[in-house]
Amino acid sequence: LAKTTQPISMDSYEGQEVNITCSHNNIATNDYITWYQQFPSQGPRFIIQGYKTKVTNEVASLFIPADRKSSTLSLPRVSLSDTAVYYCLVGPRGRAAGNKLTFGGGTRVLVKP
Amino acid sequence: DGGITQSPKYLFRKEGQNVTLSCEQNLNHDAMYWYRQDPGQGLRLIYYSQIVNDFQKGDIAEGYSVSREKKESFPLTVTSAQKNPTAFYLCASTPTGGAWYEQFFGPGTRLTVL
Repeated sequence: LAKTTQPISMDSYEGQEVNITCSHNNIATNDYITWYQQFPSQGPRFIIQGYKTKVTNEVASLFIPADRKSSTLSLPRVSLSDTAVYYCLVGPRGRAAGNKLTFGGGTRVLVKP
Repeated sequence: DGGITQSPKYLFRKEGQNVTLSCEQNLNHDAMYWYRQDPGQGLRLIYYSQIVNDFQKGDIAEGYSVSREKKESFPLTVTSAQKNPTAFYLCASTPTGGAWYEQFFGPGTRLTVL
């Protein structure tokens, strides 16, 4: 999987929008960008994936510029329960039997009341 | 309910003892994985198995052993050879034919060596 760089931590307040940017300068043509969320003492869970432009689901939005060298995860109107670590991963879509996920340190988001 | 279970949630062991962490899934997934997470760090792959009776070493396999005798089960043994075993251990599985990002994680086991 391509190397990614994210901020170590971010603080926010309830009701605000949180934007986390991930750099992936060496992204390949067939790579997709995937974000995971991990709550304390739990396993990570998939939250969103995209290839280009914008993807939105019930949890978050993912913005990907035309050059795809970075991406931004947007969490609208965060609540205390959004406090978690968010990981950005980049790799080719499609079957990858036995492939391993490489999680960097992620971005620790703390939502304050 | 389908899912992945790990037991126990918390585990304490004395230095020099082997200990086995359980991972069971009823999702009918072929591939299973073991990861280790240290405080403030990402996940590192210990072992993975794509099919019953087959497994491969991950990035940090030294001091660990696994078995995959049944599709549903992938136990991890932390041996006395593992120099720094205190960590959070996560088990995951991938749907049959699934992609690298389709990993479902269990709740984890926190191992503390006394």
